[in-house]
This record gives sequence, structure tokens and C-alpha cells, in this order.
Amino acid sequence: GAVVSQHPSWVICKSGTSVKIECRSLDFQATTMFWYRQFPKQSLMLMATSNEGSKATYEQGVEKDKFLINHASLTLSTLTVTSAHPEDSSFYICSASLQVLNQPQHFGDGTRLSIL
Amino acid sequence: EDQVTQSPEALRLQEGESSSLNCSYTVSGLRGLFWYRQDPGKGPEFLFTLYSAGEEKEKERLKATLTKKESFLHITAPKPEDSATYLCAVQARGAGGTSYGKLTFGQGTILTVHP
Repeated sequence: GAVVSQHPSWVICKSGTSVKIECRSLDFQATTMFWYRQFPKQSLMLMATSNEGSKATYEQGVEKDKFLINHASLTLSTLTVTSAHPEDSSFYICSASLQVLNQPQHFGDGTRLSIL
Repeated sequence: EDQVTQSPEALRLQEGESSSLNCSYTVSGLRGLFWYRQDPGKGPEFLFTLYSAGEEKEKERLKATLTKKESFLHITAPKPEDSATYLCAVQARGAGGTSYGKLTFGQGTILTVHP
């Protein structure tokens, strides 16, 4: 159980384009989804917390106009990297959890984003 | 500010050589401590949740323990397939409202088990 699907797994695109990443919880309803960024050999850095039907809460230093998050249903959240530049290249990972005490986050397999 | 420090950064073991990974934390009231395993190019895979000091959990060759300041992940007679990065994360009791469930991760320990 607790399967989270992330799509696409790998994206290569030109500088200036926008890229959308989808995160789906396949076998449970996720009231909360989280978006992380991970640089090589570093740990996960939380970018934002997404609650279904409300605006995302962004961590300090994360540009909300740059990284647009939508959580329109209990099974789907999307992250759009707008006007992407090479410095946005990274590994983006989503997770989902039930908003219940002590329930673990379950992670997708990540999206490798490369901006040329 | 919640902080998590994992040691060592990297650990090389021979198959069958037992060892432990350390996770030291400071948090404003611990709600839960989580251990994850991450393989290269993949998302973290959930292993354990520990809630209070003295608690222990086991799964196959892995055993996680918790004190008020740190957690240990003990690996007994490891196999090459146990090679991965092991991540520790804490969830603070005060993480409510729109930050409900927020995790703070450590840097991870890269475990390599040689046959």
C-alpha cells in the first residue's frame, strides 16, 4: 500500500520553458503533499507543503511565482517550474501523507530535471 | 530550529559485518522520528517510525532504536542489497496548521556492503 506515483521521471528542456511535474497518490487520499528538491549527495530540502483545496505554504527562500503548486484533488498535486533556467536543474521529489498524527510520508520516485 | 545530524557520512562494510548508523537530533518536542532508505535515482522508501524514547522497531536485518537525543539504525549481518543511503528525519510536535507533517531530514549515511 501507500503508493505515490510521480511523472515524468526525467525531463530535459531548453532554458526559458516551463515544466510541469505530477504527483499522484494511487491507493489513498492524500490531504497533504510535500515537494522537495535534492542536489547530488545532499539531503532532501523541503520546498513547499500543499494542502488540498488551499494555497501551498512555501519554505523560506523558495519563490512561489517560480515554483507553482496546485493541489486540486486528494490524489493529485502538480509542481510547475516556470521559465526554467540551468540553476533549476535538480532532482524534485514529492511525498504524500494523510493528515493524521504520526503517519509517515510516502515518496514518489522523483523527477530528474535538466535545463540546457 | 529543528536539526538532524547523521553519522558517519559514509560507511563501508563487508557482507556479514554488523554495524550501526547514528542520527542525532534537536527538536522542539518530538512527534516522530522516521527512517527511510533511498536508492540512487529513487525516492526515499519508508522503513520505521519511532515515537518515544526507549522504543525499538525491527524489520529483517534492520533495528531502529530511540533515545531523547538520538536514534540508531542497527544493521545485523548486512548483505550487498542493503547498500543504499539511509535518511533520518524528525517531525516536531509544533508542526501544525499549514506545516502539518513537515519533516526535517539529516544528510544521510551512504552504506556500501561489499560481498
